[in-house]
Amino acid sequence: DAGVTQSPTHLIKTRGQQVTLRCSPKSGHDTVSWYQQALGQGPQFIFQYYEEEERQRGNFPDRFSGHQFPNYSSELNVNALLLGDSALYLCASSWTGTAPDTQYFGPGTRLTVL
Amino acid sequence: LAKTTQPISMDSYEGQEVNITCSHNNIATNDYITWYQQFPSQGPRFIIQGYKTKVTNEVASLFIPADRKSSTLSLPRVSLSDTAVYYCLVGDASGYSSASKIIFGSGTRLSIRP
Repeated sequence: DAGVTQSPTHLIKTRGQQVTLRCSPKSGHDTVSWYQQALGQGPQFIFQYYEEEERQRGNFPDRFSGHQFPNYSSELNVNALLLGDSALYLCASSWTGTAPDTQYFGPGTRLTVL
Repeated sequence: LAKTTQPISMDSYEGQEVNITCSHNNIATNDYITWYQQFPSQGPRFIIQGYKTKVTNEVASLFIPADRKSSTLSLPRVSLSDTAVYYCLVGDASGYSSASKIIFGSGTRLSIRP
């Protein structure tokens, strides 16, 4: 049973560019959350998708957007990249039907903005 | 939001039992306590979750006093591979995932020496 997978593993962009990160949830999971983790800090919640809609959002600007597909996979898009967007981007999946839900994290995508 | 407070770092030796305590004075009635482990450049990994008293699995034990204002993660007989960052989280126990209310914080950096 494959866990949460993310692609690409590493990515280098320049300021002002746009980036798309991808995530496939663990089999049986229907909810995907995205987190940003700066070096030396804990993960910060960006947003969560369920039934192809953004259900919750953290304190991130509109430059951060996402999408969830019918197969529950998800994309994170970041526009007009800033140097401060350099971080490890984590995807986590869970199943809403369980209480309490437990999130399973992917290995992350390391984004470097030059 | 239920905020958590953990020690910034801890050191121990192989074979010892390690106890990491987390304070969560504002924990709500519906909140569960969850602990994650994170190795460098990897996503957090679920360790254990509990609501009250004691929970034990093959990896760790979680002790929660009656007032639930703190919790202690206990790692028996640690090895070098237990060197990681450990996060204590408090989140809603409902089936509706309240990811936006879950704050990771900076975690506890545990270093195990030979």
